Amino acid sequence: SQKIEQNSEALNIQEGKTATLTCNYTNYSPAYLQWYRQDPGRGPVFLLLIRENEKEKRKERLKVTFDTTLKQSLFHITASQPADSATYLCALDIGGFVNQGGKLIFGQGTELSVKP
Amino acid sequence: DAGITQSPRHKVTETGTPVTLRCHQTENHRYMYWYRQDPGHGLRLIHYSYGVKDTDKGEVSDGYSVSRSKTEDFLLTLESATSSQTSVYFCAISGGGGSLMDEQYFGPGTRLTVT
Repeated sequence: SQKIEQNSEALNIQEGKTATLTCNYTNYSPAYLQWYRQDPGRGPVFLLLIRENEKEKRKERLKVTFDTTLKQSLFHITASQPADSATYLCALDIGGFVNQGGKLIFGQGTELSVKP
Repeated sequence: DAGITQSPRHKVTETGTPVTLRCHQTENHRYMYWYRQDPGHGLRLIHYSYGVKDTDKGEVSDGYSVSRSKTEDFLLTLESATSSQTSVYFCAISGGGGSLMDEQYFGPGTRLTVT
């Protein structure tokens, strides 16, 4: 079955540093991968999508890489701020079908804490 | 929360009783999903819908049923609640851009406790 793993430990970094979160997967070849942010007591919020033929995607201070050989995605937040503190989830496409929507499996998430 | 509401937001029920959770969207998105989120397991797909009256199972569908009689409403029913179904339930929608790769928008969640 598909397996998706993120950094199991919480990540604590200092404000201004770059946070790097890891998402590894096995047993599948996704067409795309998405990253979400989740704050306590709230639903996840979409951040970025990267396709299998894209090596890197950027959005403001966020950068995502996708290595289909290593079966790994890295999520970077540069110049981190305390407001970036949240849990970050990666989600893997497991084969949506035409007319049936995109089906995703989610990692357990990595909790990021940015200290001032 | 992108025009998605869930009701109730909190519910405590007893083992063996049926429970229905409602998801309502005002975005006219085609696809709707029900997930549960538990510590140690992350988000897991229960059921999803790809149109009115069109639904299919996700990875943890046992003990759950769904119905979608209108574009805007997706109901999740626990036929006979068990303590293992204590969880936070999230509804999500997608398809606003017409692509399978569209991001999913999540509702605020329903915290269900089965005693």
